[in-house]
Amino acid sequence: NAGVTQTPKFQVLKTGQSMTLQCAQDMNHNSMYWYRQDPGMGLRLIYYSASEGTTDKGEVPNGYNVSRLNKREFSLRLESAAPSQTSVYFCASIDSYGYTFGSGTRLTVV
Amino acid sequence: AQSVTQLGSHVSVSEGALVLLRCNYSSSVPPYLFWYVQYPNQGLQLLLKYTTGATLVKGINGFEAEFKKSETSFHLTKPSAHMSDAAEYFCAVYTGGFKTIFGAGTRLFVKA
Repeated sequence: NAGVTQTPKFQVLKTGQSMTLQCAQDMNHNSMYWYRQDPGMGLRLIYYSASEGTTDKGEVPNGYNVSRLNKREFSLRLESAAPSQTSVYFCASIDSYGYTFGSGTRLTVV
Repeated sequence: AQSVTQLGSHVSVSEGALVLLRCNYSSSVPPYLFWYVQYPNQGLQLLLKYTTGATLVKGINGFEAEFKKSETSFHLTKPSAHMSDAAEYFCAVYTGGFKTIFGAGTRLFVKA
């Protein structure tokens, strides 16, 4: 099925560990996004990529890095995880109809 | 600065009753407005959107929303709630520059 695929679905990290969240879309969209969702705060934009080869900071970029590997893939990296990064992470791509979201990665940092 | 305010973090209705979820926004430019729904352990799905033209927008699952510029509102309604409507709903405004601002969400409970 066409859409946005995120891996992994769940992850537990220890403080200071690193990891990469993977995202791929097969809809040929130019723009891709990483959001985090925390209770009572809606979705907050971490980074986005308007097109292949470009990335820009969103509202809450500190502690994260991204790579737009090609048009399909947009990864999010936590270099040194902190408990404040415990959240649900969503990748999304967009066309004129709106966003298509992945099913999310639930990350816990202990 | 652009912002989105959803009134009420939780709304409870009886099955068959009217659903009304409130959203107010602020934007310095004509907005594009969206409603998304999120079911447990899933990503957000687009319910409906307003860009230009007709101010009453119909979406999936019987939902609709009306853009009222004078009130800076984009409230979501459904005439008759169904148990399957229980979910969290997010209002969002596109502000340009590849960025969309999301409200904090309203969780809808439907009582049998």
